[in-house]
Amino acid sequence: KAGVTQTPRYLIKTRGQQVTLSCSPISGHRSVSWYQQTPGQGLQFLFEYFSETQRNKGNFPGRFSGRQFSNSRSEMNVSTLELGDSALYLCASSPGPGEAESDYTFGSGTRLTVV
Amino acid sequence: SQKIEQNSEALNIQEGKTATLTCNYTNYSPAYLQWYRQDPGRGPVFLLLIRENEKEKRKERLKVTFDTTLKQSLFHITASQPADSATYLCALANTGNQFYFGTGTSLTVIP
Repeated sequence: KAGVTQTPRYLIKTRGQQVTLSCSPISGHRSVSWYQQTPGQGLQFLFEYFSETQRNKGNFPGRFSGRQFSNSRSEMNVSTLELGDSALYLCASSPGPGEAESDYTFGSGTRLTVV
Repeated sequence: SQKIEQNSEALNIQEGKTATLTCNYTNYSPAYLQWYRQDPGRGPVFLLLIRENEKEKRKERLKVTFDTTLKQSLFHITASQPADSATYLCALANTGNQFYFGTGTSLTVIP
């Protein structure tokens, strides 16, 4: 089966701009979670969407937002980019909350560089 | 505050030996714990899951233990190979499938 697809793979943006990242989950998976990964902080949870609704949210400022569409594809948006937003952004899909914990599958990520 | 700590330094080991990675946590009551492998520029890949009521899990050359009293999980790779070189992450999950990751241990297996 096809894996989790994240686009684009690489992105360079200027401070103050906004960016939208996309994640297509594994077919049949209805839950999508987003993470930010930096060398100093590791993987930090941003938010989780299930059935187009945000279920959980991490401790990030309101500049970070997301949404999920009826086909389970998800986007995350970061507005007013800061240099510190440079990171690898990962999404993970699973069948749903509490279902098949071993099926938690990550995409390859989007490498965002803010200059 | 909640904290998950893995071996803070990179771990170098000779090929054929057993690598042991540690994951310690405080102020969590996880429903289960997972271990992932991450290669440079890639997303983490799921390896093993162990539940709070399980002591040990095995899969081929991998073994995980989970001690909820010590609040610790150990991850073992036996007969290690250079291809096992990667960063290994532990993740704690609550019943709602919300995950909290450690910062990872970089393992290098020397031929």
